[in-house]
Amino acid sequence: QVQLVQSGAAVREPGSSVKVSCRSSGYTFTSYDINWVRQAAGQGLEWMGWVNGNSGNGGQARKFQGRVILTRDIGMNTAFMELSGLRPDDTAVYFCARGGGVQNFEFWGQGTQVTVAS
Amino acid sequence: SSDLTQPPSVSVSPGQTARITCSGDGLPKKYVYWYQQKSGQAPVLVIYEDSKRPSGIPERFSGSSSGTVATLTISGAQVDDDADYYCHSADSSSNYNALFGGGTKLTVL
Repeated sequence: QVQLVQSGAAVREPGSSVKVSCRSSGYTFTSYDINWVRQAAGQGLEWMGWVNGNSGNGGQARKFQGRVILTRDIGMNTAFMELSGLRPDDTAVYFCARGGGVQNFEFWGQGTQVTVAS
Repeated sequence: SSDLTQPPSVSVSPGQTARITCSGDGLPKKYVYWYQQKSGQAPVLVIYEDSKRPSGIPERFSGSSSGTVATLTISGAQVDDDADYYCHSADSSSNYNALFGGGTKLTVL
């Protein structure tokens, strides 16, 4: 069965960076794409960007351009989201989701809580 | 367009039909997807490509789209359907950006 397993919770200071991983299993990693979505407490879902599982190409929402790096390691069947210049308002649960491009998020990771505080 | 608009809340009694709308200028050109999210959990896809239901999703969930409005319908809503619902589509101006609606809290009681 398809599973996306994310790395554990992280606490970071303002101005630092965080890297969240998303390990996939149960399907051919290079046939699908990984999207990243975050959700602050009590708020809605916010799309951050995506990475093509095969080529490693992708894109980010304009809001995150220059601050987020989305990568993947085919040998590890794992996608990564690195967010830099962290601010307190980056405190949120970060999800990865398997998609076809930026559509059809059929499977989701369990979420990773990232807390930014001094 | 860069916005998908949903009503903040919808309330129905058990057994009634709940309808949640999602409005966006770009919807005539793009598929709409719907997710259910319960507190503390990851979202679950309940409708894809406007009206298709993934395996394991109850038949009471259905979707439609006409013009700039997509609708998620839950026929005979159950207490277990009490959750937040989000619509999602690709940005009409690009195939490489995604949009989420603001979410609708469905209360069934």
